[in-house]
Amino acid sequence: DTGVSQNPRHKITKRGQNVTFRCDPISEHNRLYWYRQTLGQGPEFLTYFQNEAQLEKSRLLSDRFSAERPKGSFSTLEIQRTEQGDSAMYLCASSSPRGGPGYGYTFGSGTRLTVV
Amino acid sequence: RKEVEQDPGPFNVPEGATVAFNCTYSNSASQSFFWYRQDCRKEPKLLMSVYSSGNEDGRFTAQLNRASQYISLLIRDSKLSDSATYLCVVNTGGADGLTFGKGTHLIIQP
Repeated sequence: DTGVSQNPRHKITKRGQNVTFRCDPISEHNRLYWYRQTLGQGPEFLTYFQNEAQLEKSRLLSDRFSAERPKGSFSTLEIQRTEQGDSAMYLCASSSPRGGPGYGYTFGSGTRLTVV
Repeated sequence: RKEVEQDPGPFNVPEGATVAFNCTYSNSASQSFFWYRQDCRKEPKLLMSVYSSGNEDGRFTAQLNRASQYISLLIRDSKLSDSATYLCVVNTGGADGLTFGKGTHLIIQP
């Protein structure tokens, strides 16, 4: 499978627990994005990596959220002390280094988080 | 004002009909434009890019009006399988990537 892979697909956690999600982008893509999508909304930008460098973070990304891409390949998104408002689909996307703003992204299947 | 605005619908359309969606964007510096399709509880998938001259892909036609800052998608001879949410997407070229509308929900009825 050469697409964007995310795991787990689903995560149910109790409020206050920490969770970590993983994204494996398409291998030749150096750009990696995290988005969050809630019901009835379009995906909202969270953060962006070019290779291992985190170049942009949304104001949606509170101090409880941290993302890493240590070797410029896979990325992790951690949420500490989860709250019910964190319940959402977390989507990872990657794009080609040859693509400028005119290129779309390839999304993974997402991780659906439910905080109870 | 939202950066990308769409009518959420739902649009209930009989099979075989033609349906059109519009979307408006607020950032005049936007550089590229797309329509994504999203099925229920699935990830968004690129349907087509939108070019200034307008472009067509089979039954789908996309148009861009930079002066009025709106984008349209036309679906001809609609199929049951076209039922989905259609997301209007804009890229300003900045590091924050793509900006999505909330999507327009389309239901094709037999």
